[in-house]
Amino acid sequence: DTAVSQTPKYLVTQMGNDKSIKCEQNLGHDTMYWYKQDSKKFLKIMFSYNNKELIINETVPNRFSPKSPDKAHLNLHINSLELGDSAVYFCASSRRGASGELFFGEGSRLTVL
Amino acid sequence: ELKVEQNPLFLSMQEGKNYTIYCNYSTTSDRLYWYRQDPGKSLESLFVLLSNGAVKQEGRLMASLDTKARLSTLHITAAVHDLSATYFCAVDMYNTDKLIFGTGTRLQVFP
Repeated sequence: DTAVSQTPKYLVTQMGNDKSIKCEQNLGHDTMYWYKQDSKKFLKIMFSYNNKELIINETVPNRFSPKSPDKAHLNLHINSLELGDSAVYFCASSRRGASGELFFGEGSRLTVL
Repeated sequence: ELKVEQNPLFLSMQEGKNYTIYCNYSTTSDRLYWYRQDPGKSLESLFVLLSNGAVKQEGRLMASLDTKARLSTLHITAAVHDLSATYFCAVDMYNTDKLIFGTGTRLQVFP
């Protein structure tokens, strides 16, 4: 069983479209994250949710909207996609108050044409 | 703002050699993590360092943390090809569960 799973793994779409990425974890963690990894492999935190509550919201365009229906799921919806949104988006989870270690999903590679 | 810098950014080393990757960070934190990423893959947790002076070893890799110097090292002993990957350190910003990642060190081990 995959601990943190993301779908889809690959997304190819046109500029201006809207797309969503879904993430689920079965580790019993209460905190989930979205990270963006750009073409230079730089990883930047975007959002974090704890028990469905938004706790980290970095300087991200408001075209990006996360949603956590429950503590095991965190989705990312992106409106009006731009070329610069092309990246690999990683979902991760952790248990608050524990070691802070993140467990990552396999990543979703988004290509905007 | 917390900055996390790694050096070198790229490391090409011969099998059997030893080398150290450095991770410097700019503000107080006593929680540091090392991850490995293979090309096109996810990030795999290697080490969790939670206090000053912490040292952990797994196989040919050893990580240490000096919170006073704001420095962590990842030491590679007798490198083998299977260690070829990108290694990231990450620092927990003020123990808030917000991990800030370093730039990554791409390690290539050749025969």
